[in-house]
Amino acid sequence: GNSVTQMEGPVTLSEEAFLTINCTYTATGYPSLFWYVQYPGEGLQLLLKATKADDKGSNKGFEATYRKETTSFHLEKGSVQVSDSAVYFCALSEGNTGGFKTIFGAGTRLFVKA
Amino acid sequence: SQTIHQWPATLVQPVGSPLSLECTVEGTSNPNLYWYRQAAGRGLQLLFYSVGIGQISSEVPQNLSASRPQDRQFILSSKKLLLSDSGFYLCAWSVGLAGLNEQFFGPGTRLTVL
Repeated sequence: GNSVTQMEGPVTLSEEAFLTINCTYTATGYPSLFWYVQYPGEGLQLLLKATKADDKGSNKGFEATYRKETTSFHLEKGSVQVSDSAVYFCALSEGNTGGFKTIFGAGTRLFVKA
Repeated sequence: SQTIHQWPATLVQPVGSPLSLECTVEGTSNPNLYWYRQAAGRGLQLLFYSVGIGQISSEVPQNLSASRPQDRQFILSSKKLLLSDSGFYLCAWSVGLAGLNEQFFGPGTRLTVL
């Protein structure tokens, strides 16, 4: 079945450091890929998405490229801020006749120190 | 614009007591609705999803149940809570059957079973 694997956290960085959170997936078809972010005590919100191979999703300085050949969707940011401290979830979804479900990774907690 | 509400925000219940968590969506019609549980420090576990009134799909067999009495209302219930039911419960919605669309999450309910 479909699955998402992302790097275990927590990841601790200093402000302005470069961020990479790895995500790989397995899927039988052509999924859409997402990164969601969860700030403390809140629900998840979409950070960025990509719907086909070689698409690059970007938002708030974060980027991720849909790599079909390596089945990856790594999240990157050139310079993190303290306000980026949160849990990041990689996810995929595939349509089916019963509606569609999203498969989430386990989440990676990011701490950014001033 | 669309909004999603969950209540209560926090709940402390004794083992063996019943549970009812409610989720309502505004500003959209015929959404797909989802219940997730997030245990402390863990990823998201899909519990139930619904593509229409009275249509419920269960992902994980357990002592929880879900109902969708109205198009934009989704209820999570239990007759007798277990200690292992503690966690952060998230409701989400999406539209469309194609695997292209993001999910929108509510603020969550933190349940502690003592």
